[in-house]
Amino acid sequence: QVQLVESGGGVVQPGRSLRLSCAASGFTFSNYGMHWVRQAPGKGLEWVTVISYDGGSEYYADSVKGRFTISRDNSKNTLYLQMNSLRAEDTAVYYCAKDIAAVGTALGYWGQGTLVTVSS
Amino acid sequence: EIVMTQSPATLSVSPGEGATLSCRASESVSTNLAWYQQKPGQAPRLLIYGTSTRATGIPARFSGSGSGTEFTLTISRLQSEDFAVYYCQQYNHWPPLTFGGGTKVEIK
Repeated sequence: QVQLVESGGGVVQPGRSLRLSCAASGFTFSNYGMHWVRQAPGKGLEWVTVISYDGGSEYYADSVKGRFTISRDNSKNTLYLQMNSLRAEDTAVYYCAKDIAAVGTALGYWGQGTLVTVSS
Repeated sequence: EIVMTQSPATLSVSPGEGATLSCRASESVSTNLAWYQQKPGQAPRLLIYGTSTRATGIPARFSGSGSGTEFTLTISRLQSEDFAVYYCQQYNHWPPLTFGGGTKVEIK
């Protein structure tokens, strides 16, 4: 069965960095696009970024462009999100999600999420 | 950016009744629309993609319809486990992928 397990969340001061990981299993990781989606406390879903199945393409929401970097290691079945210059408004639960195709469609499976709190 | 608008924000329904949730796109997204269910403290779950195709394991009481800018998620005969927040999401014009603000289906 598909499993996505995020890690790396925590409390971080504004302006600092954090790296999230998402360990994938139960499917051929290298065949699917992967996303990060976040949800601020009590709010709706906000798409953050996507990386294509082979890592050749990546796209970002304007709110994180230039600060966040998505990457993947297909040999380790792991997705990453490097978050730099963090702001209070980045506080959210971050979910990794598996695309139903190579890139950019519906999100078929989601991890349980990891909470990132940006606060001094 | 395509803006997705869901209505109503909250829907009060008695168990066993049906529910109709609406999602409107600011411009046509063809049939590239998905619906998700999220329960408190849980990750979202894909219900429907391609406007009307149920995801694996999703009961037949969930159905989707529409095209262009107007979409509907219909839940027939609500069961206790169906009370949740529902989100629509377009994937026709991206980036960014965009979600609606959600409809909370609560027990009447």
